Amino acid sequence: EPEVTQTPSHQVTQMGQEVILRCVPISNHLYFYWYRQILGQKVEFLVSFYNNEISEKSEIFDDQFSVERPDGSNFTLKIRSTKLEDSAMYFCASTGEQTQYFGPGTRLLVL
Amino acid sequence: GENVEQHPSTLSVQEGDSAVIKCTYSDSASNYFPWYKQELGKRPQLIIDIRSNVGEKKDQRIAVTLNKTAKHFSLHITETQPEDSAVYFCAASFSGGYNKLIFGAGTRLAVHP
Repeated sequence: EPEVTQTPSHQVTQMGQEVILRCVPISNHLYFYWYRQILGQKVEFLVSFYNNEISEKSEIFDDQFSVERPDGSNFTLKIRSTKLEDSAMYFCASTGEQTQYFGPGTRLLVL
Repeated sequence: GENVEQHPSTLSVQEGDSAVIKCTYSDSASNYFPWYKQELGKRPQLIIDIRSNVGEKKDQRIAVTLNKTAKHFSLHITETQPEDSAVYFCAASFSGGYNKLIFGAGTRLAVHP
C-alpha cells in the first residue's frame, strides 16, 4: 500500500538556522498539507497546497515558513530562521479522494 | 473560530469493556469527520471517518455516530483489547476533507488486561 514518506526522521538545529523538511506524497494525490504537533499536544494545521500554490495557511505559518513542490514528487517545508518554539513533530499529509494520509513525521529540535 | 473539543482527555478501561470518546465542533459548514489513532512516536492513522450525510458508520469493533443538529460526533470501541491503547484524535473539515483538518486535543486510551 502506498505511503507518504518524510525525511529526515529527526533533525537537530541551532536557533536561527534554516531547515528544510522533505516529504514525498502518495503519487496520484493532488492535495498536500503540513501539520505540526508539539510534544503532548494536538495536531495543528500549518498549510495546504494544491495546483502548485498555497490554498490556505494558519496563523502559525508566518513569513519564516515556506513550502515548495520543486519537482513531481517532493513537497518541502522550509523554516528560514528557526526559533526554540519551532521544536515539534512535523507531519506531511496528502489526499486524493478526501482521506488525508499522514507521513511518519520529522521530529525537529531547535537548540 | 474553528474549534473541535474532545472529551475525555484520558480514558482507562478493562479489556473487553467499551470505550466512548466524544467531540463537538464549532463550524456548521464542517461535513467530514475522521478519527485517527496515534501510537507513541508514530504517525496518526485513520481508523474510521464519517460524512455529514450519514448518521452512523460501523467497522467491526469501531463505530462513529454524528449528530449534525447538536454538532457532535462520537467514537465507540467495543470489546476493547490492549492493542487499542493509544491516543485517539477526532477532527473536522469541510468540503469533504480536501481542506484543513481541525483536530481535537486527543484522548489517551489505556486498556488494561
